[in-house]
Amino acid sequence: DIVMTQSPDSLAVSLGERATINCKSSQSVFSSVNNKNSLAWYQQKPGQPPKLLIYWASTRESGVPDRFSGSGSGTDFTLTISNLQTEDVAVYYCQQHYTTRLTFGGGTKVEIK
Amino acid sequence: EVQLVESGGGLVQPGGSLRLSCSASGFTFTTYTMHWIRQAPGKGLEYVSAIHSNGINTYYADSVKGRFTISRDNSKNTLYLQMSSLRTEDSAVYYCVKVAVLDSYWYFDLWGRGTLVTVSS
Repeated sequence: DIVMTQSPDSLAVSLGERATINCKSSQSVFSSVNNKNSLAWYQQKPGQPPKLLIYWASTRESGVPDRFSGSGSGTDFTLTISNLQTEDVAVYYCQQHYTTRLTFGGGTKVEIK
Repeated sequence: EVQLVESGGGLVQPGGSLRLSCSASGFTFTTYTMHWIRQAPGKGLEYVSAIHSNGINTYYADSVKGRFTISRDNSKNTLYLQMSSLRTEDSAVYYCVKVAVLDSYWYFDLWGRGTLVTVSS
């Protein structure tokens, strides 16, 4: 199975500042079939199910604020939250869908400093 | 309203069985691969199982293979997960989840609120 490793486990960021979350896969999730990276990002707030933020590594889901952005390719990916807001306090997960044996990262908890 | 509503969770003893259901509405259920994903209390997300829109092709995590069976009734817009030989490590919130793009590309744009399964004596 592809192992997804997120870092850091948690981070505290001041309001209005930038939060950066990293996700590394144990093998490339780039598909030469469609020239896309099969990597998604989710946000999970306490007591709620996860919510899709980003797919294909950098495509923002409809309705997601543009302060959320995804980047990276191959095995290394980043979720950036610019201008952090109080409503962004949550746990963030990456997920690969390159294979049918789906795997998630362990999660990164984002808090306000 | 587009939604998924799970039911059937509860407390069960180790070795017991339970059947989860997920009622779908607001979208064409019959054209999407559907999944179950679980989350143990305070832990991360773990893929459990998936079923193609045709109800024939199924997929399982190694941790549940041979113990869990996924199925769907497209006439009732309902997804099921039959769980048997339950272990304490199966305790989790079980989410019913819809893929974003028909039967392709397994990232998820719709999640239910989940149903809690507790395996304990």
